[in-house]
Amino acid sequence: DIQMTQSPSSLSASVGDRVTITCQASQDISNYLNWYQQKPGKAPKLLIYDASNLETGVPSRFSGSGSGTDFTFTISSLQPEDIATYYCQQYDNLPITFGPGTKVDIK
Amino acid sequence: EVQLVESGGGLVQPGGSLRLSCAASGFTFSSYWMHWVRQAPGKGLVWVSRINSDGSSTSYADSVKGRFTISRDNAKNTLYLQMNSLRAEDTAVYYCARDRGFTMIVNYWGQGTLVTVSS
Repeated sequence: DIQMTQSPSSLSASVGDRVTITCQASQDISNYLNWYQQKPGKAPKLLIYDASNLETGVPSRFSGSGSGTDFTFTISSLQPEDIATYYCQQYDNLPITFGPGTKVDIK
Repeated sequence: EVQLVESGGGLVQPGGSLRLSCAASGFTFSSYWMHWVRQAPGKGLVWVSRINSDGSSTSYADSVKGRFTISRDNAKNTLYLQMNSLRAEDTAVYYCARDRGFTMIVNYWGQGTLVTVSS
């Protein structure tokens, strides 16, 4: 199975700050990498697919980059409604695997 | 509007069985792959299973292979997960989720149904 790691596991930032999360795959997954947002008590929501493509309706402050084994997810200006846990997920090989998540809150 | 509504969760004893259902609406169900993803309390997301659009091809996580069976009834717009030989470690919220098409990218999720395996 492909192992996904994320860092940091949690972070606190101020409203308006730029927030960056990294995700690393245990082997080359090309760009088969998605990012999801999960708010407490809610289902996950797809934000970024294929490493860098913004899902329809998702605010442009969210972005993703990377390929191969190293990926980055960025919130350009953190908003209060962005409080959530963010997961990366690879789908290059079955089983689909998720990173452990990064919990983002407001300082 | 895409809607996925899970049902069938509850409390079951170790070794028992449960069948989850997911009623789909707002899209042409028979055109999309579907998935089950679970989340243990306070833990991360774990992919469980996937079925193709006509039900002829399925895939499973090793942790559930041989115990869980994914199926679908396209006439009823419903996805199922038959869970047998349940273990305490199967305790989780189970999400029904729709693929973008046949891409393995999940872009719609239900609200989830809680399965608790305990004596």
